[in-house]
Amino acid sequence: AQSVTQLGSHVSVSEGALVLLRCNYSSSVPPYLFWYVQYPNQGLQLLLKYTTGATLVKGINGFEAEFKKSETSFHLTKPSAHMSDAAEYFCAVSDLGSNYQLIWGAGTKLIIKP
Amino acid sequence: EAGVAQSPRYKIIEKRQSVAFWCNPISGHATLYWYQQILGQGPKLLIQFQNNGVVDDSQLPKDRFSAERLKGVDSTLKIQPAKLEDSAVYLCASSLEVGTEQYFGPGTRLTVT
Repeated sequence: AQSVTQLGSHVSVSEGALVLLRCNYSSSVPPYLFWYVQYPNQGLQLLLKYTTGATLVKGINGFEAEFKKSETSFHLTKPSAHMSDAAEYFCAVSDLGSNYQLIWGAGTKLIIKP
Repeated sequence: EAGVAQSPRYKIIEKRQSVAFWCNPISGHATLYWYQQILGQGPKLLIQFQNNGVVDDSQLPKDRFSAERLKGVDSTLKIQPAKLEDSAVYLCASSLEVGTEQYFGPGTRLTVT
């Protein structure tokens, strides 16, 4: 069965510092990969997605992620953190084998220190 | 383009009571999803509709949860009777078709006391 692992339930960075949120997945077939963001008391918003093609994917709000098949990873990065980036981030994977249902990680709460 | 609408936003009930949530997907979206999100966890799919047919309800506790999508547009999710462990945020999402991007509503936060 597919699974998604997000390393670190909480990540704290200083404003202006690099943001790195880790995501590893297990999938026996080529996956679709997603990062969603959830602000307090709001629904989930798609940040970026990888389906096929270029392995470096750029998303909204300056975030990007790189699909590394050999490492089964899809880590999310942003060069310079902003206070408004404080939120919970979820990695998700889907593939044909699961009828494209999203399998979710447990989430990482990003804390930005002033 | 209007997003996914959900109501109510918040609901507090006592255990053994019943509750219903409503979702109106984005116009033209054939696929509709209900998720349960417990605090500190990722969303868990409860049920997936394609138009007005059920695609997957394998994780829906059918002894107490029910859902319908009449006419293939809006949908309701019902819990009867509620248990303490049903306290969670219930998210509705829709997509054009299976496998395409899912758009989420703001969710309904349910507290069962």
